Amino acid sequence: AQKITQTQPGMFVQEKEAVTLDCTYDTSDQSYGLFWYKQPSSGEMIFLIYQGSYDEQNATEGRYSLNFQKARKSANLVISASQLGDSAMYFCAMREGRAAGNKLTFGGGTRVLVKP
Amino acid sequence: GAVVSQHPSWVICKSGTSVKIECRSLDFQATTMFWYRQFPKQSLMLMATSNEGSKATYEQGVEKDKFLINHASLTLSTLTVTSAHPEDSSFYICSAKGQGAFSGANVLTFGAGSRLTVL
Repeated sequence: AQKITQTQPGMFVQEKEAVTLDCTYDTSDQSYGLFWYKQPSSGEMIFLIYQGSYDEQNATEGRYSLNFQKARKSANLVISASQLGDSAMYFCAMREGRAAGNKLTFGGGTRVLVKP
Repeated sequence: GAVVSQHPSWVICKSGTSVKIECRSLDFQATTMFWYRQFPKQSLMLMATSNEGSKATYEQGVEKDKFLINHASLTLSTLTVTSAHPEDSSFYICSAKGQGAFSGANVLTFGAGSRLTVL
């Protein structure tokens, strides 16, 4: 079974509007971490935001916020006020267990294209 | 902040040759490094986990004799694709977890990736 599922292969969003990228996960661990990364066409992986399983509040980082619904096992990324530079692939990832050195498992990704 | 340098950024080689990709942590000591492979328009798939001074742990289905990983120091891990074939053409990305790295221990830092094309 897929551990991380991103159901939207691609999305168009109008510049200055908000967009929500879906991510659901599957784990039996009580302690885990959820990440979102952005991958522009250059290929580098850019860390956007992190949510720990015990964090009670949703994580926010500038224009990025994570809508964490633990019971539903979802960790959707919201990008507010989209910019042309936001056009990229976005990956949701999960780290299971407490150890910070544990590996990340990635979802299939969502390609976002921001229209002017 | 924590920086991981990956070299070369792209390489083209003939079938049957070996290619080495380096992953360096520039401003922190990386106790653990991860090597991922990404085929076009696909996600990142973990190949192996390397810990400084010990043998790498390979994911199921990854040939350890073909993808040699060496993590000889706290700042350098290398991936060698031996006897490369066209099907090995891919984007290889390393990531590192440091000791007290920037942003705490929660975040891995990724290299910029290495695009391998085998002719």
